[in-house]
Amino acid sequence: ETGVTQTPRHLVMGMTNKKSLKCEQHLGHNAMYWYKQSAKKPLELMFVYNFKEQTENNSVPSRFSPECPNSSHLFLHLHTLQPEDSALYLCASSIAGSEQYFGPGTRLTVT
Amino acid sequence: AQKITQTQPGMFVQEKEAVTLDCTYDTSDQSYGLFWYKQPSSGEMIFLIYQGSYDEQNATEGRYSLNFQKARKSANLVISASQLGDSAMYFCAMREDTGRRALTFGSGTRLQVQP
Repeated sequence: ETGVTQTPRHLVMGMTNKKSLKCEQHLGHNAMYWYKQSAKKPLELMFVYNFKEQTENNSVPSRFSPECPNSSHLFLHLHTLQPEDSALYLCASSIAGSEQYFGPGTRLTVT
Repeated sequence: AQKITQTQPGMFVQEKEAVTLDCTYDTSDQSYGLFWYKQPSSGEMIFLIYQGSYDEQNATEGRYSLNFQKARKSANLVISASQLGDSAMYFCAMREDTGRRALTFGSGTRLQVQP
């Protein structure tokens, strides 16, 4: 399998649930990213990891908790989300500084 | 101030014609990169083309070319010979090479190619 994969592709969760989004890249990249894309808003960077270390947290609420166990895997743990957190969550990877390659996204609905 | 501005929320083009999607940017960095991505209705962001701030030639990739005008801080995407499959959202993005190295995206332009 090549490229950047994300699972699940669709997720519906209640505000009290705990769920996790998974991202995996098979490109040998050393940087991974989480973005949030809400309707009618530009993509918002959430987190950046370089060589498994978090290098950027763009003032993301603590109900979103990222985890990067190695350079190929990135998780986003979700806990007590709000309806306004419903969005498309995109994962990307790159060789730091170069073009980013995106996964297909997880469309999240919080009820 | 917005870092990336895309002033065209939507554009229409006839199949086989060329279309230009506008992008202006704002940075005080001397070294930066400009990117264009395509997002079909499936949601995936597809990398199209890259232009470095020190590149003297405009970038080209197949039917895509980037009209880079540094003094005007514009990086317009030109799609030649439009195809129905080009219908999608198009995002301009910038990476500044000092400080934060992640991409900043514009609000996008929805392109619809008509037969």
